[in-house]
Amino acid sequence: EAGVTQFPSHSVIEKGQTVTLRCDPISGHDNLYWYRRVMGKEIKFLLHFVKESKQDESGMPNNRFLAERTGGTYSTLKVQPAELEDSGVYFCASSHKIGTGASTEQYFGPGTRLTVT
Amino acid sequence: AQSVTQPDIHITVSEGASLELRCNYSYGATPYLFWYVQSPGQGLQLLLKYFSGDTLVQGIKGFEAEFKRSQSSFNLRKPSVHWSDAAEYFCAVGSNTGFQKLVFGTGTRLLVSP
Repeated sequence: EAGVTQFPSHSVIEKGQTVTLRCDPISGHDNLYWYRRVMGKEIKFLLHFVKESKQDESGMPNNRFLAERTGGTYSTLKVQPAELEDSGVYFCASSHKIGTGASTEQYFGPGTRLTVT
Repeated sequence: AQSVTQPDIHITVSEGASLELRCNYSYGATPYLFWYVQSPGQGLQLLLKYFSGDTLVQGIKGFEAEFKRSQSSFNLRKPSVHWSDAAEYFCAVGSNTGFQKLVFGTGTRLLVSP
């Protein structure tokens, strides 16, 4: 079974540019999560999809970040325009829903390292 | 609000020695607790988890962790460290409802000396 995949693995962009990160969850996983780790800090939750619906986006830093999950499969996270403080590693995770109000543990992808210069 | 504290940023252990990584959490109810490991160039891999039941949980790669409610701790242990265990370790807490927004500690980087 393929794990969670993320693309690209690295991205270097200039301040003001746009970047789109992609996450492909494990097949059949309804839950998809985005997290971010700024260098030296903890990994922080950004948002959570259940299928194509945003369940919780309380961790999104501001309106420069836009996440989508069209069709409930892969997800994209767009940063527009990028700022220096957006640099970090963006992780995607997925989990399987097992009945009402329960899910398996989260499986993480390798992350996308974003550097904004 | 949930929070996780990993007081050790770096730990160096000799190969073959025992290991204990500390994790303290803050949560209003019985938490779901996790330890993840990130090896260089790799993603986060789940080592073990505690949902309920036996407070001593076994994980992969010979790791175990003990949930101590009275101390709000979930320390990770391994009796004999291998050089391949060098990595960064993250403790995380999730709510005991289905949709687990994980809250992570800042991580502990483990160095293994020959």
